[in-house]
Amino acid sequence: ENVLTQSPAIMSASPGEKVTMTCRASSSVSSSYLHWYQQKSGASPKLWIYSTSNLASGVPARFSGSGSGTSYSLTISSVEAEDAATYYCQQYSGYPLITFGAGTKLELK
Amino acid sequence: DVQLQESGPGLVKPSQSLSLTCSVTGYSITSGYYWNWIRQFPGNKLEWMGYISYDGSNNYNPSLKNRISITRDTSKNQFFLKLNSVTTEDTATYYCAREEGFSLAYWGQGTLVTVSA
Repeated sequence: ENVLTQSPAIMSASPGEKVTMTCRASSSVSSSYLHWYQQKSGASPKLWIYSTSNLASGVPARFSGSGSGTSYSLTISSVEAEDAATYYCQQYSGYPLITFGAGTKLELK
Repeated sequence: DVQLQESGPGLVKPSQSLSLTCSVTGYSITSGYYWNWIRQFPGNKLEWMGYISYDGSNNYNPSLKNRISITRDTSKNQFFLKLNSVTTEDTATYYCAREEGFSLAYWGQGTLVTVSA
């Protein structure tokens, strides 16, 4: 199983601050197969960034993704109040086919 | 636009079977893509359970392989989850989702299933 480890588990940021969260895989993942989801309380996860760096429809340009191999990251250039949520990374390969990280909860100060 | 909606009992007794339906509108489940079940446990861990493909083939999480079955009714554009021999550890919110481009692009709103006597 390809285990995804996200860090930090919880982070707090002030509006306007730049934040970065990471996702590390126990085995290499193709950049095409690494994705990020945003989930707000009481709602379903939403695809947020696909294939490492492509923003899903409607995602603000302040979000970006990067990485390769076993290390990936999601960055928000200037955090806004609406970005408060939990972000999950997901990979597609191996056995089981799909695994998720445990999530990074972003709180706004 | 494609929409998915889960339905089924919210309470299941231990040792019984959990059965859920995902109703899909806006796209035929036989036209393409992979149709998945994912669950989220209390505490928010996400677990992929398996899929049924547009051609009817399956792929399951090996941790569930002996208990899970995903089937479909193409006439109703629905697919189904059946999980046997449930325990309290199967208490979770269950989501159906469409996979495309190796990501889960469309999700249902989720349904909470509690396993309790």
